Amino acid sequence: SQTIHQWPATLVQPVGSPLSLECTVEGTSNPNLYWYRQAAGRGLQLLFYSVGIGQISSEVPQNLSASRPQDRQFILSSKKLLLSDSGFYLCAWSVPRAAHAWDEQYFGPGTRLTVT
Amino acid sequence: AQTVTQSQPEMSVQEAETVTLSCTYDTSESDYYLFWYKQPPSRQMILVIRQEAYKQQNATENRFSVNFQKAAKSFSLKISDSQLGDAAMYFCAYRRGSGGSNYKLTFGKGTLLTVNP
Repeated sequence: SQTIHQWPATLVQPVGSPLSLECTVEGTSNPNLYWYRQAAGRGLQLLFYSVGIGQISSEVPQNLSASRPQDRQFILSSKKLLLSDSGFYLCAWSVPRAAHAWDEQYFGPGTRLTVT
Repeated sequence: AQTVTQSQPEMSVQEAETVTLSCTYDTSESDYYLFWYKQPPSRQMILVIRQEAYKQQNATENRFSVNFQKAAKSFSLKISDSQLGDAAMYFCAYRRGSGGSNYKLTFGKGTLLTVNP
């Protein structure tokens, strides 16, 4: 069966410090991968998605970046964190289903980031 | 751009009763998919139910069913025989069906459901 992992589970970082959040998927190949952010009292906002190694699409311009160094690894980074980067970050994966033209997204447990 | 609106920030229901959560969306697309996700206190996002826009029949999953009104762009979730474990934040989400960045899920802001014993 497929599983998705995120770490760390919680993180407290000072303003201006770097960030690296990691997401890995097991039990599947060539998944679509996604990074979402959930701010307090708000829904999820898609930040990045990737359809393959080295292929990253950005949805929201910001000081965050994403990379996909391996097929099942997706990393969210920042060189200098802002207070506004605080939130709950969720990674998700899906398998493209060309025949059905939809792909259900499965979410990881999330990382709670607090920027102080 | 597509938008998803959940007009009920909070709802409550008595255990074993039925509750309906509202969702409306705005799109110019004809091919799309709609989803309801549940986020319990653990913060894990769990897919509850999905609906293909081209299907007229409303989707059902055990105690969960939807009322999909395509012309009105409405997609409500009905939870029957509510259980304590149904307490969670519920998000309505939209995804276009084909072309372009069709991987993107657009979420509403959520409805917090409380189940009273």
